[in-house]
Amino acid sequence: DAGVIQSPRHEVTEMGQEVTLRCKPISGHNSLFWYRQTMMRGLELLIYFNNNVPIDDSGMPEDRFSAKMPNASFSTLKIQPSEPRDSAVYFCASTKTRAEQYFGPGTRLTVT
Amino acid sequence: AQSVTQLGSHVSVSEGALVLLRCNYSSSVPPYLFWYVQYPNQGLQLLLKYTTGATLVKGINGFEAEFKKSETSFHLTKPSAHMSDAAEYFCAVRLDQGGSEKLVFGKGTKLTVNP
Repeated sequence: DAGVIQSPRHEVTEMGQEVTLRCKPISGHNSLFWYRQTMMRGLELLIYFNNNVPIDDSGMPEDRFSAKMPNASFSTLKIQPSEPRDSAVYFCASTKTRAEQYFGPGTRLTVT
Repeated sequence: AQSVTQLGSHVSVSEGALVLLRCNYSSSVPPYLFWYVQYPNQGLQLLLKYTTGATLVKGINGFEAEFKKSETSFHLTKPSAHMSDAAEYFCAVRLDQGGSEKLVFGKGTKLTVNP
């Protein structure tokens, strides 16, 4: 079975541009998570969805960040406008009820 | 609120030596506990998990962890380190309460294996 799929794997953009990160969870999983990882702050949960509904977005840094899950097989994380401090690796993970989370390979975002 | 503390952000061992990575958690209800490993430029991969039952849990690559409720600990061990074990290791806790699937992660321990 394919694991969690993220695209793009690398993104380089200029400050002020819109960035969209994409995630396809594992088929049959009903929860999806977006994390951000930096050297300074470690691994942070940004938002999580259950059955396509956002359950906890308390980790979303500010209004520049938004996430959607239009169906069970796709989610996006959008940053608009992007800033250099958004540079990080963004991970998507999915799980089914009461099971472990499976992580994607991550998207390395660089904002110049 | 639940939390996880990993003692030692960096641990260095010699090849063939015992690996011990420490994890303590805080929880007022029985937790689910996890250890994940992250190799350079990769996502996190599950090593092992504790949910209920046997307190000594065996995982992949020869790792194991023991849940000690009295000490609120879930330390990760491996009898003999290999060069391929060099990676960052994360302990995480999920409360089996309210249906939440959120994990709280520790800050990670980077393991170096010296030849």
